[in-house]
Amino acid sequence: QTVVTQEPSLSVPPGGTVTLTCGLTSASVSGNHFPTWLQQTPGLAPRTLIYRTNIRSSGVPDRFSGSILGSDAALTITGAQADDECDYYCVLHVGRGLWVFGGGTKLTVL
Amino acid sequence: EVQLVESGGGLVLPGGSLRLSCVASGFSFSTNWMTWVRQVPGKGLEWLANVHPDGTTIYQADSLKGRFSLSRDNTKNSLYLQMNSLRAEDTAVYYCARYIEVVVGGPFFDYWGQGTLVTVSS
Repeated sequence: QTVVTQEPSLSVPPGGTVTLTCGLTSASVSGNHFPTWLQQTPGLAPRTLIYRTNIRSSGVPDRFSGSILGSDAALTITGAQADDECDYYCVLHVGRGLWVFGGGTKLTVL
Repeated sequence: EVQLVESGGGLVLPGGSLRLSCVASGFSFSTNWMTWVRQVPGKGLEWLANVHPDGTTIYQADSLKGRFSLSRDNTKNSLYLQMNSLRAEDTAVYYCARYIEVVVGGPFFDYWGQGTLVTVSS
């Protein structure tokens, strides 16, 4: 069974930079997993922030960026703002049309 | 403007059935893959399935096989999730999303609906 790992929680001071990671227990994440990052405020629908590793969805501020860092996909928030405080999920394509979500990272801005 | 509106959720007894719908507008539904994702209250997201534009090719998570079936009606711009033999652990918000499946560049999810809550309880 494929398991996608994310930090359960992270914190960042306002204006600071934070990197969230998305890994696989069984392999390194690459661009062929088409890493996608979603943002979700509790109680609301998810929103796609980043897809295909590093492409920002329309309307997403450029303080959000995606990359591959070592063996993980990464979402970096530069100049964090109070309304960035929410949950972030990555999802990876694991082949044969199948996708697996990570458990999500709860980001606190304080 | 792209819109996805789910409906059909509600309270159902264990062992019961429910059919969820997702009605799309603002894009060519008949030429787009679609996706179902669910989220247990207070927990993370779980990918369930992707459905080909013509409904004949479906990729789905193992957790769906046997009890859930997927279909679509392109004349109604609608995607369906038929859920049978429901269990308490199926209690979740069910979201539909548009899935972009392209050979060049790679696939991704873009637009999401607001979700519909299914509660399985006696």
